[in-house]
Amino acid sequence: GNSVTQMEGPVTLSEEAFLTINCTYTATGYPSLFWYVQYPGEGLQLLLKATKADDKGSNKGFEATYRKETTSFHLEKGSVQVSDSAVYFCALSDSGNQFYFGTGTSLTVIP
Amino acid sequence: EAGVAQSPRYKIIEKRQSVAFWCNPISGHATLYWYQQILGQGPKLLIQFQNNGVVDDSQLPKDRFSAERLKGVDSTLKIQPAKLEDSAVYLCASSLAGQNTGELFFGEGSRLTVL
Repeated sequence: GNSVTQMEGPVTLSEEAFLTINCTYTATGYPSLFWYVQYPGEGLQLLLKATKADDKGSNKGFEATYRKETTSFHLEKGSVQVSDSAVYFCALSDSGNQFYFGTGTSLTVIP
Repeated sequence: EAGVAQSPRYKIIEKRQSVAFWCNPISGHATLYWYQQILGQGPKLLIQFQNNGVVDDSQLPKDRFSAERLKGVDSTLKIQPAKLEDSAVYLCASSLAGQNTGELFFGEGSRLTVL
């Protein structure tokens, strides 16, 4: 079946540090991959997505590349800010428009 | 464009009581989802509708949970009777039908506390 595994948190970084949050997936067919973010007190919102192998999604300085050979979609940012403190969820969707989420990684950025 | 609307935002009930949550998806979105998010976990799909038909309800505890989407727009999720382990945030999301490249749009969620 389809599933997503992401690195457990919490992650605490100093401002301007480099961020990587690992995500791997298991899927049949050709899924689309997503990163969602949940800021404190808010609902989940799309951060970025990639719909086919080797695609790179990017938004707000975050990037992730769809790697079919390693079944991965790791989230990266070169220099985090305090405002990036949130919970990040990796997700995939299959041809049936069904979405599968990872357990989430909490990020805290300290000044 | 209006987002996904959910109500109530917060609800506290005692076990064995009932509760209902309401969701209004983004206009034109044929697919509607209800997720359960327990603290510290990712969203877990309860039920997926396309228009007013059920696509997947395999993880819905049907002995106590029910959901409907009359007329293919608004949806209601009901829990009766509630158990302590039902304490969670109930998320409604919608998307355009038939696009696995499309994104989910979430509401702010309804936080349920069962005492």
